[in-house]
Amino acid sequence: DVKVTQSSRYLVKRTGEKVFLECVQDMDHENMFWYRQDPGLGLRLIYFSYDVKMKEKGDIPEGYSVSREKKERFSLILESASTNQTSMYLCASHIWAGGYNEQFFGPGTRLTVL
Amino acid sequence: SQQGEEDPQALSIQEGENATMNCSYKTSINNLQWYRQNSGRGLVHLILIRSNEREKHSGRLRVTLDTSKKSSSLLITASRAADTASYFCATDAGGNNRLAFGKGNQVVVIP
Repeated sequence: DVKVTQSSRYLVKRTGEKVFLECVQDMDHENMFWYRQDPGLGLRLIYFSYDVKMKEKGDIPEGYSVSREKKERFSLILESASTNQTSMYLCASHIWAGGYNEQFFGPGTRLTVL
Repeated sequence: SQQGEEDPQALSIQEGENATMNCSYKTSINNLQWYRQNSGRGLVHLILIRSNEREKHSGRLRVTLDTSKKSSSLLITASRAADTASYFCATDAGGNNRLAFGKGNQVVVIP
């Protein structure tokens, strides 16, 4: 089974802090994604990566950056956390195989910025 | 970008009943997928239907796709308390590995 893990389930940070959210997958997937999930807004794509050191902006990249130094690890960085970044953050990975592109999700990190 | 959008309903049903939820989208797609999310957890892939398919079954799940109406439905038959979750549709318009997720549809199955 594909396993996607995220470094923390719950995280509390203060405004202005630099925050790192880590995601690791163990199935050699090329593509990895970071979403945030907010009530009434569903999942919104922040950034994605289709290869090591490659990244693409999603729909809401402002205030975030990412790092992919190794294939299995995709990090989301909040350079200076703000209260409007309080949210559930979901990481996903996928590989294109035989026309199927289902995404495999981690358990999520619930971040609260005070 | 392509957006899947479910009927924004919170559905509450008795155990054993069927649950139906719908999803509409705006542009052409390669496939449409349904995911389940249990409270406070990540999403789990349930079923994928390709644009050239009209209906697909997987266990107690039945998904339909009407590309002329740009809509899909997910039916869960003989619901169980463990089916209590949020259900999301996601569309793949092709070309960039991205999926566009809807806002989700909460289902509560009462034992």
